[in-house]
Amino acid sequence: ETGVTQSPTHLIKTRGQQVTLRCSSQSGHNTVSWYQQALGQGPQFIFQYYREEENGRGNFPPRFSGLQFPNYSSELNVNALELDDSALYLCASSRGAGGRIDTQYFGPGTRLTVL
Amino acid sequence: SQQGEEDPQALSIQEGENATMNCSYKTSINNLQWYRQNSGRGLVHLILIRSNEREKHSGRLRVTLDTSKKSSSLLITASRAADTASYFCATDGGDYGQNFVFGPGTRLSALP
Repeated sequence: ETGVTQSPTHLIKTRGQQVTLRCSSQSGHNTVSWYQQALGQGPQFIFQYYREEENGRGNFPPRFSGLQFPNYSSELNVNALELDDSALYLCASSRGAGGRIDTQYFGPGTRLTVL
Repeated sequence: SQQGEEDPQALSIQEGENATMNCSYKTSINNLQWYRQNSGRGLVHLILIRSNEREKHSGRLRVTLDTSKKSSSLLITASRAADTASYFCATDGGDYGQNFVFGPGTRLSALP
């Protein structure tokens, strides 16, 4: 078990709604990355936060946004939900230095279902 | 697009046998990592191998890296039913997170 926690565990939303997912990073880690994992696929990188600033972004539209707080916990916000947003959302924390990714420690994920 | 591609997509073996999974990638990397995922839960880091290393061991795991062929392999020796999971390779190719790319994974079933 890592020290990374995510909430909620499961979430059901309808198309067009907005959702906020939360992640608490492992103690001593200053970098949080978010991933989307569709069923049967590998995780896809959404974005990374390092010291409260976005430090890299994958191929996701602007309706995916995030925050990192002074205690290095993080939020992922998704606006105008679409059916294809249904997935497992994973956050991972690491000890970063300017964005280089070393070993990442993953939380258990949030399963989002969009109806 | 995903840089890491695992092969095979699925692998069934008997307990006690060795399991080998392969990963190929396209561009230069800083390091390559292997992760395990049990039934849609979070990923567990297994091993990291840097681009200047050729082989690493951790318990029953052995990872090799061939940068000239842009490929890596993960060997699990003497498999157990508890090794049943999906295994992913992930490559770190640069300074920013968008270069950390997972493959689609290999689904391993270790049958008792």
